[in-house]
Amino acid sequence: EDKVVQSPLSLVVHEGDTVTLNCSYEVTNFRSLLWYKQEKKAPTFLFMLTSSGIEKKSGRLSSILDKKELFSILNITATQTGDSAIYLCASPGDGTASKLTFGTGTRLQVTL
Amino acid sequence: DAGITQSPRHKVTETGTPVTLRCHQTENHRYMYWYRQDPGHGLRLIHYSYGVKDTDKGEVSDGYSVSRSKTEDFLLTLESATSSQTSVYFCAISSTGRDEKLFFGSGTQLSVL
Repeated sequence: EDKVVQSPLSLVVHEGDTVTLNCSYEVTNFRSLLWYKQEKKAPTFLFMLTSSGIEKKSGRLSSILDKKELFSILNITATQTGDSAIYLCASPGDGTASKLTFGTGTRLQVTL
Repeated sequence: DAGITQSPRHKVTETGTPVTLRCHQTENHRYMYWYRQDPGHGLRLIHYSYGVKDTDKGEVSDGYSVSRSKTEDFLLTLESATSSQTSVYFCAISSTGRDEKLFFGSGTQLSVL
């Protein structure tokens, strides 16, 4: 059974702090790892990682994958209150459909 | 935003009643998925479809059925709702089944009393 585990479960930081969110996985025939941000409604896509050691970056967010140690991290620098959300990581299982197995998420709260 | 519409947005129903949730997409994507989201469990796959009339079970399919008679519509039915099916239900779509990110609808909050 595929498994994705995220840590910490929740996190409270002050605006301007840098945070690191963790995601470990055990997935048969690994293909990719995806990060999503969920505010009030639908999860929105952030990154898809397929290769080890190659950082993906979008503004203050960045992510990297380690396929040897089976984990990924999501970094957010200079956090803002708008970064408050649940961050989800997921990986597709084997087969022809993108059936994502999700972690339970990290709830990030950024305070003033 | 991907063109995905879920209806209804909110529903309250009683135990034992049938419930149908609808997902409608305007992207002409082949793959459609139903997930439920519960505290402590994250998002879990209920059923998915890989084409018209082609569906398969996900991780938590017991008590649910689906139908896809048109590319754009994917229906999720709870034949006899139970309180354990109180959840937020998300529909998602993808154009291919390999290495493809999913686009999610805004969700349906279902409460079974």
